[in-house]
Order: sequence, then C-alpha cells, then structure tokens
Amino acid sequence: AQSVTQPDIHITVSEGASLELRCNYSYGATPYLFWYVQSPGQGLQLLLKYFSGDTLVQGIKGFEAEFKRSQSSFNLRKPSVHWSDAAEYFCAVGDNFNKFYFGSGTKLNVKP
Amino acid sequence: DVKVTQSSRYLVKRTGEKVFLECVQDMDHENMFWYRQDPGLGLRLIYFSYDVKMKEKGDIPEGYSVSREKKERFSLILESASTNQTSMYLCASSLYSATGELFFGEGSRLTVL
Repeated sequence: AQSVTQPDIHITVSEGASLELRCNYSYGATPYLFWYVQSPGQGLQLLLKYFSGDTLVQGIKGFEAEFKRSQSSFNLRKPSVHWSDAAEYFCAVGDNFNKFYFGSGTKLNVKP
Repeated sequence: DVKVTQSSRYLVKRTGEKVFLECVQDMDHENMFWYRQDPGLGLRLIYFSYDVKMKEKGDIPEGYSVSREKKERFSLILESASTNQTSMYLCASSLYSATGELFFGEGSRLTVL
C-alpha cells in the first residue's frame, strides 16, 4: 500500500540557516511526488513536484527537493530560511488513479 | 487565478445535526476531493469524485456522504454530526491526469458540540 512518512513532527531552525525536511514514501511504481506548504489557517499551496527527469527539482520560494529512488526519499531543502517560512509542510505521493497520499506533516519554527 | 472556494470557514454545530460543506472550483477540473485534517494525522481522504455524479470512497468515508451534481461543485454531507467529526475539512480539485496537482481551498473548520 502507498504511504508517506515524515519522521520529523517539529523542526526549529534559526533564520538564515539551512533547512532539510525529510520524506520517505512507499509506492510500487514510479511515484509522482509533491511538497505542499500550509500557513496557519490556510489551505495547502504547492511548493514543487516531481514526475520524471532531473531528480533535483526547483520550486517556489527558493525551495528545492531531490528524488532518490534508492532511498525512497524526496527531501525538501532550502539554503537560507526566512521567518516567513514558518509553516507546516506536507509531502505527498500521487498514483496513476489520481489519488494522493499525504504524510503527517512537519511543523517548521524559525528562530529570529 | 485558479480558485477553490469553500463556502464556510468556520462552523459550529450540535451533535445530531445535518451538516453541509460546499466546495466550488473554477478551473474546470474533473477531479474533486474532500480531506480531513487532524493534528499529527496529516490529511486523510474522505471521498473523491472524478466526474459528475461519480464518487469513490477514500480512506475514512464512515459518517460522511458526498454529492456532485455539477462539475464545479462538490458537497460533503455529515448526516448526523458527532463530536469526533470536529476537524478541519479541506476541499481540493485536480485535472484528470496522473500528474495533475491538487489545488486546495482554505478549509472549513467544523466544531461539533
């Protein structure tokens, strides 16, 4: 069965520091992978997505993610975090039947 | 700009009431979804629809039903609300494509007393 694991529930980083949020998935075929961000009280916004090709994908707001098939991972990174990046981040995998499976989310706090 | 609109941001209902959550999208998307979001559990799929009058159960359909009479509108119905249905409900839509991303509404926070 498809599943997504985000092992970190909460992460705190200092403003200006680098960030990596972990995501591992379980899926039998080629996965379609997504990262979404949710600001407090809001819906989810797409940061980036991977379907095929280059395993390093660039997204909005300076985020990037790398697909590693051998590790079944799709970690999200940002070289320098801004206070406005404080939010909850969700990793998701989509299947060929238009269903999406979400991780439980990682809450990011940014220290000034 | 693409938009998914949920009719109510905040609702307070009493146990046993019938609750309607409405969602409208203006992107001519085939697929529409209802998710429930609870702390530590992420998003769990309640129902989805890939065409008018079509619906498929998600992972947690018990206690819910849906209606899709028009392509742009997808309604979630709680026939008899219970306190354990207090949650954030998120509507989303996507193209009928394996690579179609989800577009979300802002959510409806339901409290059942």
